[in-house]
Amino acid sequence: GENVEQHPSTLSVQEGDSAVIKCTYSDSASNYFPWYKQELGKRPQLIIDIRSNVGEKKDQRIAVTLNKTAKHFSLHITETQPEDSAVYFCAASWGGGYQKVTFGTGTKLQVIP
Amino acid sequence: DSGVTQTPKHLITATGQRVTLRCSPRSGDLSVYWYQQSLDQGLQFLIQYYNGEERAKGNILERFSAQQFPDLHSELNLSSLELGDSALYFCASSVSLAGARTNTDTQYFGPGTRLTVL
Repeated sequence: GENVEQHPSTLSVQEGDSAVIKCTYSDSASNYFPWYKQELGKRPQLIIDIRSNVGEKKDQRIAVTLNKTAKHFSLHITETQPEDSAVYFCAASWGGGYQKVTFGTGTKLQVIP
Repeated sequence: DSGVTQTPKHLITATGQRVTLRCSPRSGDLSVYWYQQSLDQGLQFLIQYYNGEERAKGNILERFSAQQFPDLHSELNLSSLELGDSALYFCASSVSLAGARTNTDTQYFGPGTRLTVL
């Protein structure tokens, strides 16, 4: 089955700096890669996703890159703000409704004011 | 608000007891997923149902079972509860159209049920 590794497990950055979280996956059939943000005690919320037919996607201060050959994808947050502090999860799936989505172990991001 | 609802919000019970958690997916979503999240831990996938049928199984204990009903809501049953079962239990739903040309597996999470076993 799919295996997703996520690094780092914790990340502290100064407000205004950039943060990068990296994930690798094992199943070359995976074609959908969402990122979720989870604030303490709340539900995971989708913040951005990318499909295997594109290499990069941006949404304001957030971007995701995908390298299918190397089987890794990354989340980039620029101009970080204190409200970006949360746990971020990456995930991978191949879709069709018949396979579970496999989540990474999470990265706890702390943005220091 | 994701459109996914879960009840109850909190549940406190004793060891050895049995509880049922309920999830209503977003309108039109066929897949329901259950996850367990212990304190400061990641999301542990338990089980997926698609249009009433079990589709994928994760690390779900034999004491746990689930089902999805014709109206697509789902219930997770936890029995012979142990202290270690205390956790947040999330339900998520997705459209998951079989054979779709584009991936429709975006999952939308409910607010969770916090289970405390004393």
